Amino acid sequence: NAGVTQTPKFQVLKTGQSMTLQCAQDMNHEYMSWYRQDPGMGLRLIHYSVGAGITDQGEVPNGYNVSRSTTEDFPLRLLSAAPSQTSVYFCASSPRLLATDTQYFGPGTRLTVL
Amino acid sequence: QQQVKQSPQSLIVQKGGISIINCAYENTAFDYFPWYQQFPGKGPALLIAIRPDVSEKKEGRFTISFNKSAKQFSLHIMDSQPGDSATYFCAAVNSGGYNKLIFGAGTRLAVHP
Repeated sequence: NAGVTQTPKFQVLKTGQSMTLQCAQDMNHEYMSWYRQDPGMGLRLIHYSVGAGITDQGEVPNGYNVSRSTTEDFPLRLLSAAPSQTSVYFCASSPRLLATDTQYFGPGTRLTVL
Repeated sequence: QQQVKQSPQSLIVQKGGISIINCAYENTAFDYFPWYQQFPGKGPALLIAIRPDVSEKKEGRFTISFNKSAKQFSLHIMDSQPGDSATYFCAAVNSGGYNKLIFGAGTRLAVHP
């Protein structure tokens, strides 16, 4: 198994541009989520999904959209990039919907918005 | 305002020493507390976790101590090694809900040989 994969690894955007961060997992996990990591802030939950077709907002959802058309894929869309969205983005998945399940994180996407 | 407060922000320990990282929380609905370890350029990975019905959990050189009345928990790394140099995050979640982890700010640990 490849686990949780994320593309691209690095990305530079200009203010106002849009883009999609890709996330895929091959472990048939039900639960998937997106976090952003900022210095001094830890990781903060952006959006999560409890199954195909079901998504919900986390702590910091503004400026981001998600969809989950398949169990495997959970893309994160930046609608109109802003410098405040400069961050490292991590996708994670866990086998079931239990809060005590281990979350498996991808390698991250480092995004810079100029 | 962070729901889980973690300290220190950074920590330098000599090889063989004890590393101690502390976390505190306010929300009494939290009842599951995992710790994640992150190496540079990698995603976080689960290290160890505890429920508040036990005061201590040990896995190898890593121990979590839990003080339910004070709403505090800490990670102790015994006999710290240079390979333990990483960023450590404590987290909290309500086990009755979804896996929506609330993370602390992180502690960057450097173990010097």
